[in-house]
Amino acid sequence: KQEVTQIPAALSVPEGENLVLNCSFTDSAIYNLQWFRQDPGKGLTSLLLIQSSQREQTSGRLNASLDKSSGRSTLYIAASQPGDSATYLCAVLEGAQKLVFGQGTRLTINP
Amino acid sequence: SQTIHQWPATLVQPVGSPLSLECTVEGTSNPNLYWYRQAAGRGLQLLFYSVGIGQISSEVPQNLSASRPQDRQFILSSKKLLLSDSGFYLCAWSVLTYNEQFFGPGTRLTVL
Repeated sequence: KQEVTQIPAALSVPEGENLVLNCSFTDSAIYNLQWFRQDPGKGLTSLLLIQSSQREQTSGRLNASLDKSSGRSTLYIAASQPGDSATYLCAVLEGAQKLVFGQGTRLTINP
Repeated sequence: SQTIHQWPATLVQPVGSPLSLECTVEGTSNPNLYWYRQAAGRGLQLLFYSVGIGQISSEVPQNLSASRPQDRQFILSSKKLLLSDSGFYLCAWSVLTYNEQFFGPGTRLTVL
């Protein structure tokens, strides 16, 4: 059974810092990995999608990497801003349709 | 551009009452559609998915059912709600299998 773990559960950093969020998964037989952002009481916003054959994807200040063999992904956020405060979720796609989610990292950027 | 709608946004229902949550997608044809539930302390879990009209697959045995009466409409239902059905219900869509999934704004359900 696929399990996705995100560490840390919560992170608080001052504005302007670069930071890394971690995601690990137990079964490397995945089709892709997605990083999402969730604001309190809201739906999920897709940030980055990495296909299983890819090593990384970049969008603006965000960079996500994937090491499928070791079951790890990282989300790097450069020059953090207060507006980046949210819960970040990673999810792996297994069985073609099913996203398996981690519990998320709650990020707070302090002005 | 594609848009996904869910309603209602918030719902409070008594135990034993029926449920109907609706999800519609605009701006795309033949999407794959999904229902997820986010419960406190349990993370996000896939409940149902559909690859076409009338085609429903269930991931978790439960008190809920899903239907897809039209290409871009996905409905989550229950005949009798349980306390454990409380949670945040999210609908999602993708263009094709294996592709990126996009989520709606969600429905917050509280069963009392």
